Amino acid sequence: GAGVSQTPSNKVTEKGKYVELRCDPISGHTALYWYRQSLGQGPEFLIYFQGTGAADDSGLPNDRFFAVRPEGSVSTLKIQRTERGDSAVYLCASSSTSAPYEQYFGPGTRLTVT
Amino acid sequence: AQTVTQSQPEMSVQEAETVTLSCTYDTSESDYYLFWYKQPPSRQMILVIRQEAYKQQNATENRFSVNFQKAAKSFSLKISDSQLGDAAMYFCAWCGGGSEKLVFGKGTKLTVNP
Repeated sequence: GAGVSQTPSNKVTEKGKYVELRCDPISGHTALYWYRQSLGQGPEFLIYFQGTGAADDSGLPNDRFFAVRPEGSVSTLKIQRTERGDSAVYLCASSSTSAPYEQYFGPGTRLTVT
Repeated sequence: AQTVTQSQPEMSVQEAETVTLSCTYDTSESDYYLFWYKQPPSRQMILVIRQEAYKQQNATENRFSVNFQKAAKSFSLKISDSQLGDAAMYFCAWCGGGSEKLVFGKGTKLTVNP
């Protein structure tokens, strides 16, 4: 079956602009995760959804970052007033209720803020 | 807070040889999972192997096996009969304590020489 997909693959934006990153999880997976990977680092957790609700948003760095999953499937990560420090690869993952600790990742969106 | 440490930024191995990647972690939790993920240049994180902390037997997946030393909080990955396609960044990750968010190390870049 289809894996986790993320769009766009790459996004270049100017400082101060608003961006939206989209994640489409594996069909039937109830849990969805967002991570941010800066250059030369491992991924860092941002937020985790179980169904439509955010179960843990403790990793969001500040109130410029927000994520939604209105129908329990596709999720959108929204970043307002982007800063150069937001440049990173944003990874999305999903998991099923039968194997909640096995997360399957998408290819990521590389965000560059100029 | 949980931490994961990968002390080898880079490793290299000859094709067909065996290599071991190191990982240590720090946690006060008793119930947790450990993972090794592979990230090729395509950016997509691929789950290589997983270990449940309550299991004493080390996990194996074909040419990949782990050495899990719970008391020492060590979780190394052994790759046997290395292939050119094994070249990638390898990340060790921890998950547990009732949370499903992964905590990653900084990664080890593995080069496979023909």
